[in-house]
Amino acid sequence: EAAVTQSPRNKVAVTGGKVTLSCNQTNNHNNMYWYRQDTGHGLRLIHYSYGAGSTEKGDIPDGYKASRPSQENFSLILELATPSQTSVYFCASGLVGTDNERLFFGHGTKLSVL
Amino acid sequence: QQKVQQSPESLTVSEGAMASLNCTFSDGTSNNFRWYRQHSAKGLEVLVSIFSDGEKEEGRFTAHLNRANLHVSLHIREPQPSDSAVYLCAVPNNNNAPRFGAGTKLSVKP
Repeated sequence: EAAVTQSPRNKVAVTGGKVTLSCNQTNNHNNMYWYRQDTGHGLRLIHYSYGAGSTEKGDIPDGYKASRPSQENFSLILELATPSQTSVYFCASGLVGTDNERLFFGHGTKLSVL
Repeated sequence: QQKVQQSPESLTVSEGAMASLNCTFSDGTSNNFRWYRQHSAKGLEVLVSIFSDGEKEEGRFTAHLNRANLHVSLHIREPQPSDSAVYLCAVPNNNNAPRFGAGTKLSVKP
């Protein structure tokens, strides 16, 4: 079974601080995604990547940067964290394939910005 | 860009009764629709993938897709308390990342 590992599992940050969420996959999948999940909104796409060196903006990219230094790793960076970015963040990977490919998710990172 | 709506927001059923969840979307030109399940803020697991209009069964889970009506549903036969979770539909989005609905929280009472 595909494995996607997120770190940290929980994070408390201060407003204005820098936060980096990390994601590692051992599936050799080309595509990786970052979503955030909030009550009433479901999963919303922040950034995604088609492979090493590539990052694409999703639906809510403002306030976030992404980095894909290798096939295995995809990071989400909050340069200046704000309380509105308090959420649960999910990373996912998927094979290159048809539209709406099956995604394999990590267990999430709960971020609280105080 | 796809707009995805799920209903109901929450659903309570008795163990053994059929549970029916709905998902509507705005663009029916693509295929590859999926239903995911999420237990208590954990990662999501795919339940059913359906690639054409009609019905697709995976064990106790059956998806119905009608792209003309912009609708995909999930029916859970003989639900058990362990099926209590949040169910999310994922829809295709122009060869882009899938978009998700807000989810239906299902509670199954013994």
